[in-house]
Amino acid sequence: AQSVTQPDIHITVSEGASLELRCNYSYGATPYLFWYVQSPGQGLQLLLKYFSGDTLVQGIKGFEAEFKRSQSSFNLRKPSVHWSDAAEYFCAVRANQAGTALIFGKGTTLSVSS
Amino acid sequence: EAGVAQSPRYKIIEKRQSVAFWCNPISGHATLYWYQQILGQGPKLLIQFQNNGVVDDSQLPKDRFSAERLKGVDSTLKIQPAKLEDSAVYLCASSLGFGELFFGEGSRLTVL
Repeated sequence: AQSVTQPDIHITVSEGASLELRCNYSYGATPYLFWYVQSPGQGLQLLLKYFSGDTLVQGIKGFEAEFKRSQSSFNLRKPSVHWSDAAEYFCAVRANQAGTALIFGKGTTLSVSS
Repeated sequence: EAGVAQSPRYKIIEKRQSVAFWCNPISGHATLYWYQQILGQGPKLLIQFQNNGVVDDSQLPKDRFSAERLKGVDSTLKIQPAKLEDSAVYLCASSLGFGELFFGEGSRLTVL
């Protein structure tokens, strides 16, 4: 069965500083990987996804993530954080079979200080 | 394109009462999911439908939770009787096959 670990519960970053959120997954084959963001009182919005091919994936809002098979990781990065990026970030994994559900990590709360 | 619609957005009930949540997925999306998100945790899958058939309901507490998807479109999730630990946000999502999941804004349930 698939599982996702997000080691950092809460991270605070200064506005303008770079950001990296960690995600480790467990799955026997190459999974489908996702990062979602959730603002307070809102649903989840997809930032980016990895299915295959180039291991560096570009997403919306200036985010990117890199799939590293050897480390079973899919870390999310942003070179310069904006105050509006403060939110909850979820990494998710999905088996590479049609119609399977996402398994989510517990999330990382990002706070941005001025 | 219209997104996933959910209602109600908020519901407060007493324990042992019943509640129902409704979801209308994106048009044409065959797969529909209900997730439970308890405060401070990631979403947990409750049930997955493919058209109007159940694909996975292994984590659905079937003694109190039920869900149906009529005609392969709208879905309803019911809790009866509710317990305090059912306080959570109930998220509905839909997808096309291998694609990403599109989420609604969720229904926040508070059980007193």
